[in-house]
Amino acid sequence: EVQLVESGGDLVQPGGSLRLSCEASGFTFSTYDMHWVRQPPGKGLEWLSTIGGRGDSTYYAAAVNGRFTISRDNSENTLYLQMDSLRAEDSAIYYCVGPWIWGQGTLVTVSS
Amino acid sequence: DIQMTQSPSSLSASVGDRVTITCRASQAISNALAWLQQRPGKAPKSLIYDASSLLSGVPSRFSGSGSGTDFTLTISNLQPEDFGTYYCLQYTAYPRTYGQGTKVEI
Repeated sequence: EVQLVESGGDLVQPGGSLRLSCEASGFTFSTYDMHWVRQPPGKGLEWLSTIGGRGDSTYYAAAVNGRFTISRDNSENTLYLQMDSLRAEDSAIYYCVGPWIWGQGTLVTVSS
Repeated sequence: DIQMTQSPSSLSASVGDRVTITCRASQAISNALAWLQQRPGKAPKSLIYDASSLLSGVPSRFSGSGSGTDFTLTISNLQPEDFGTYYCLQYTAYPRTYGQGTKVEI
C-alpha cells in the first residue's frame, strides 16, 4: 500500500525549532519529488517546499525561505523538514506530499 | 507568483446534481493543474492531474478540463460522500500555488 506517515509535530515556543519526518512506503521513494504543504486551522493549503528525487534540488516558499530546510534520506525512505525560528503564524497542520499522495498530517503549534 | 482563483467559493447542491467548479490562473500554465478534495477533518486527496487525468481509484463521475488559464472540475451525479472543499493547484512553476478552495455542501 502506498503510504506517507508524518511525525514530529508538537507545541513549541516562538523562536524554537522542530524537525518533522515523513516515512514513505509502497513506492520507489528515490524517484519522486517530495513536498511539504501546510494548512493553518480553518484555512487553505500553502505549498512550502519541494525536493528532487536525488535531493540535489530544493525549492522554498518565500514565507519559510531561510528558516526551513527540506531534506531526504533515500536509504530510509524518509523526508524531513527542519523548522527554525518558528513564529506563531507557522502554526498549522503540516502535510507530506508524494506522487499525488498525501500523508495524514502532523500538527505544529507555535505558542508561548 | 501565479495566482489561482476558484469560483464559486461555496455552493449547495443536491444528490444527483451536476456540479462545476472553475479555476483561473493569472498566467498560462499549460495543463499543469491538479484538483484535490478535502473532507472535513481529513487530509486532502488528489483527484485529477494534468488538468484532465483521473487518478487511480477516483470515481469516474469526477472529470477535469481546460488548458492555459481556465480550468473546470465537474462532478456529475453528486453523491453524499462528495461534500467537502475542493482545491486546484498549479505546478508549472515555483512557488506552487493553490486556489482558495470551493466548499461543496450537499
